[in-house]
Amino acid sequence: EAGVAQSPRYKIIEKRQSVAFWCNPISGHATLYWYQQILGQGPKLLIQFQNNGVVDDSQLPKDRFSAERLKGVDSTLKIQPAKLEDSAVYLCASSFSGNTIYFGEGSWLTVV
Amino acid sequence: QKEVEQDPGPLSVPEGAIVSLNCTYSNSAFQYFMWYRQYSRKGPELLMYTYSSGNKEDGRFTAQVDKSSKYISLFIRDSQPSDSATYLCAANRLRGGAQKLVFGQGTRLTINP
Repeated sequence: EAGVAQSPRYKIIEKRQSVAFWCNPISGHATLYWYQQILGQGPKLLIQFQNNGVVDDSQLPKDRFSAERLKGVDSTLKIQPAKLEDSAVYLCASSFSGNTIYFGEGSWLTVV
Repeated sequence: QKEVEQDPGPLSVPEGAIVSLNCTYSNSAFQYFMWYRQYSRKGPELLMYTYSSGNKEDGRFTAQVDKSSKYISLFIRDSQPSDSATYLCAANRLRGGAQKLVFGQGTRLTINP
């Protein structure tokens, strides 16, 4: 079974630039998550989709972050404009039942 | 107060030692408890998953939950250098009709040969 796919793996951008991350969840998984993990901390949920609807985006900085999940499969997370404090790993995850969540390898963002 | 608290370590032990990793949580609504292992530059990987209070064993790993004291533990027996990683505890609850997974800070573990 293929895992959660993410791209790009690594990205370096200057502050105020924009960046987009892509995620393809495990086939058949209705729930998709984007987490932000700052170095030395645990992952923090940014947004959770159930099919193509948002069920939780309470911790998403909506003035600069946006996410969409078209057709209930792939998802993109965008940051515009980026700040230095956005340097982190952006983890995409998916689940079938909600209790067992599978993570991708992450997209590493450095903002300089 | 964070919903899930975890000692960040780092923790360094010799090969073969028994390792104990611990977390506490504050919200009684948490129903499911997990341990994830995260190697450097990799995503978290589910290691153990428990629902009720008590112990769950899987090979060298034992997960323990005490809901009365809101305490979660992971024990690693006969630790190996390949167990060197960051271990994340997590707790899951229903919020607004959706499952919400909350992570601890992670404990960085090094097993020395």
